[in-house]
Amino acid sequence: DAGVIQSPRHEVTEMGQEVTLRCKPISGHNSLFWYRQTMMRGLELLIYFNNNVPIDDSGMPEDRFSAKMPNASFSTLKIQPSEPRDSAVYFCASSRRNLGGTGELFFGEGSRLTVL
Amino acid sequence: DQQVKQNSPSLSVQEGRISILNCDYTNSMFDYFLWYKKYPAEGPTFLISISSIKDKNEDGRFTVFLNKSAKHLSLHIVPSQPGDSAVYFCAASEAYKLSFGAGTTVTVRA
Repeated sequence: DAGVIQSPRHEVTEMGQEVTLRCKPISGHNSLFWYRQTMMRGLELLIYFNNNVPIDDSGMPEDRFSAKMPNASFSTLKIQPSEPRDSAVYFCASSRRNLGGTGELFFGEGSRLTVL
Repeated sequence: DQQVKQNSPSLSVQEGRISILNCDYTNSMFDYFLWYKKYPAEGPTFLISISSIKDKNEDGRFTVFLNKSAKHLSLHIVPSQPGDSAVYFCAASEAYKLSFGAGTTVTVRA
């Protein structure tokens, strides 16, 4: 069974450029999360979708970041314009958990972003 | 403010011996605790979890202990194997939200 699929695995771009990261969650999972991992802050939650609806975007650092989930099998995280401090590994994760439930998250392999 | 803390950034252990990883938390509303394992260039993978109403959960070589009064949990790996060398993240759940510790890098020496 396919896991969470993220693309691209690596992205190197210049400051000011638009970056789009993509995620395909596991089929049947109704919750999707975007996390960012940095040396300074570790793994931090950026945004959470439940049944394709954004529930909590309080972790999105600034207006330059936006995320969408147009359907149950696809989500994007966009940064525009990108800045060097956005360099990090971005993980997408999905689960069967509901708003009040608990359950393990299944993570993708991550997208390593480097902004020069 | 970090609600989940792993104060040991690294741990080195000899193959066959016990690895003990520690984690402290501050939020008494956390209802579920999990450990994730991460290899380089891969995403974290779920290892073991424990509900806040329990104090111990065991799965093969892995045992998680929870001390709610101390807001402390630990992961025991017995016996440690070379394939256990990885970064281990402690995580705590409040409803849908998982908060992660900074991770502990475990190195198992042959």
